[in-house]
Amino acid sequence: GESVGLHLPTLSVQEGDNSIINCAYSNSASDYFIWYKQESGKGPQFIIDIRSNMDKRQGQRVTVLLNKTVKHLSLQIAATQPGDSAVYFCAENMNSGGYQKVTFGIGTKLQVIP
Amino acid sequence: GAVVSQHPSRVICKSGTSVKIECRSLDFQATTMFWYRQFPKQSLMLMATSNEGSKATYEQGVEKDKFLINHASLTLSTLTVTSAHPEDSSFYICSAMDREETQYFGPGTRLLVL
Repeated sequence: GESVGLHLPTLSVQEGDNSIINCAYSNSASDYFIWYKQESGKGPQFIIDIRSNMDKRQGQRVTVLLNKTVKHLSLQIAATQPGDSAVYFCAENMNSGGYQKVTFGIGTKLQVIP
Repeated sequence: GAVVSQHPSRVICKSGTSVKIECRSLDFQATTMFWYRQFPKQSLMLMATSNEGSKATYEQGVEKDKFLINHASLTLSTLTVTSAHPEDSSFYICSAMDREETQYFGPGTRLLVL
C-alpha cells in the first residue's frame, strides 16, 4: 500500500541568527553520535560527531551537545547562512551483533530566511 | 576527504525488471558498506549491512531475495532490486565505512519504477 509520508519538523531562522536543532535518541548503549546535513536530492554530508565520553564538541560554526542522562543531542549553528538550509539528521552508532550500525533520527528541515 | 560514488544516479525502469546499483569507495578500502532507502520527506532507513566476502545482514522487514547485495571487493558493493515494482521507487543511498569506523555516504540513486 501507499506509505504515509511524515512531515519533517521545520525550523525557520533569520540569516545571521543562531540555530539550535534538537534530537532525542533511543538506545542508551549508543556510544557515538553524528550530525548529517542533507541537501535536496543528495546524500548525507558529515557535519560533526561526538563520542559518549564527551558532552560537548565544537567545530567551525557548529557545536554539538550531548546529554546522556536524558538521551538528548543538539546541534548549534552559529550565524546561520542561506547555505545552511537543508535537512539535518542526528544519527546514533552502536555495535549490533559485532557490526557497527547507524540509526538515523527523523530529521529537521532548516529554512534560513534571508 | 573520502569519496563514495554511486552509479547510476538516476534510473527509470519498467515494472518487473531488475535494477543494479553500484557503490564504490574511491580512495579507501571499506570492509563494511551499508545500504539505505529514503522515501520523500522521511529519514534514511537502513536496509542491510554489506560485508566484504560474506553475506549481507538484512534489517527486519527487508526481503533478501528481492534486494540482492554483493560485496565482492573492498571498494565495491552492489544492490540489485529484483522484479521491481512501483512501490520500490525510492532514493537508495549507500555508505562505506573506513578503518576509523567513519561512514562516508554516496550521492544516492533515484529509482523510479513505472
